[in-house]
Amino acid sequence: AQTVTQSQPEMSVQEAETVTLSCTYDTSESNYYLFWYKQPPSRQMILVIRQEAYKQQNATENRFSVNFQKAAKSFSLKISDSQLGDTAMYFCAFMKGASWGKLQFGAGTQVVVTP
Amino acid sequence: EAQVTQNPRYLITVTGKKLTVTCSQNMNHEYMSWYRQDPGLGLRQIYYSMNVEVTDKGDVPEGYKVSRKEKRNFPLILESPSPNQTSLYFCASSFTGLGEKAFFGQGTRLTVV
Repeated sequence: AQTVTQSQPEMSVQEAETVTLSCTYDTSESNYYLFWYKQPPSRQMILVIRQEAYKQQNATENRFSVNFQKAAKSFSLKISDSQLGDTAMYFCAFMKGASWGKLQFGAGTQVVVTP
Repeated sequence: EAQVTQNPRYLITVTGKKLTVTCSQNMNHEYMSWYRQDPGLGLRQIYYSMNVEVTDKGDVPEGYKVSRKEKRNFPLILESPSPNQTSLYFCASSFTGLGEKAFFGQGTRLTVV
């Protein structure tokens, strides 16, 4: 079975600063996908970034980037130049390569961006 | 606009009264699924469907039913709701379910008293 661990329940960051969210996962699979989803107060689940395990290059999306360490089974998210609109719950999620869309989520990290 | 639509967004009901939460997507996705979100547990999959008339259990299927009679719709049925089913529910869809982006509905906050 796979598990996804987010060890930081809450993090606070000032506007324009950088914050890094940690995520570790446990799997014996070699083919899988990793995701970060953002859930603002509106409750909408928004995909922030996606990483394919077979790709060594870390994914980036504008101010969001990941540090994917496959051997360490670590998948951290860095938010640069934080904005007030980044305030949200962030979920790390894992999907096996052939698991018919089943996302396994961590417990989430609440990020609060302060002026 | 590409979207997944859930209804209702909020629902308060009493123990044992059957209810249905509807989910519809307009992207011709084959794969649809239901999750429940609880504090400290993240989201957990309840049921999923790979295509019309093909459904299977996720991690927490007890007390729930689903059906997939049409490609666009995937309702979640609670035949006899209990208080431990009080939760935030999400419907999600994707083209094949094999690693690509999932689109989520707006969520349904269910309270069973």
